Amino acid sequence: DIQMTQSPSSLSASVGDRVTITCRASQSISSYLNWYQQQPGKAPKLLIYAASSLQSGVPSRFSGSGSGTDFALTISSLQPEDFATYYCQQTYSIPPVTFGPGTKVDIK
Amino acid sequence: QVQLQESGPGLVKPSETLSLTCTVSGGSISTYYWSWIRQPPGKGLEWIGYIYHSGSTNHNPSLRSRVTISADTSKNQFSLKLRSVTAADTAVYYCARHGREANKFDHWGQGTLVTVSS
Repeated sequence: DIQMTQSPSSLSASVGDRVTITCRASQSISSYLNWYQQQPGKAPKLLIYAASSLQSGVPSRFSGSGSGTDFALTISSLQPEDFATYYCQQTYSIPPVTFGPGTKVDIK
Repeated sequence: QVQLQESGPGLVKPSETLSLTCTVSGGSISTYYWSWIRQPPGKGLEWIGYIYHSGSTNHNPSLRSRVTISADTSKNQFSLKLRSVTAADTAVYYCARHGREANKFDHWGQGTLVTVSS
């Protein structure tokens, strides 16, 4: 199985801050890397697919980068509705689809 | 707009079978992949398995073949059966659609909590 790690596991930030979350795969996954946002009590929501493509309807302050084993999700200017948990996911080698452990972003 | 809705019992006894159904509206299950994902309370996401429109399935090896995923195209539904459940199977269960670019999971159900307890 391909293992996914994320760092940090949590962070505190203020509205307007630039935030970067990193995700690392245990082996190369090309660009088969997706990012999701999960608000408490809600289903995950797709933000970025194929490492750097913005899903339709997602604000442009979200961006993704990377390929191979190292990836990043950046929020250019944190908004109040962005406080949530973020997960990366690899779909390069199935089964299984695997998710990172999540990064919780909360208010400083 | 594609919508997914999970349904099924919220409480299952240990050693019994968990059964859930995902009803899809606004799109046909005869295209794309359709997955089940679960999330234990306070924990991360675990992929359970998928069914493809051709009827082929795949599941997470960690679940040791306790999983059966099937589809009823006449009802536009797909289902999950998880056998021999324990308390460790207590989780919110989500269904989702995926495929196309990077096999992205672009539509999710709202999730349903299933508790395993006697």
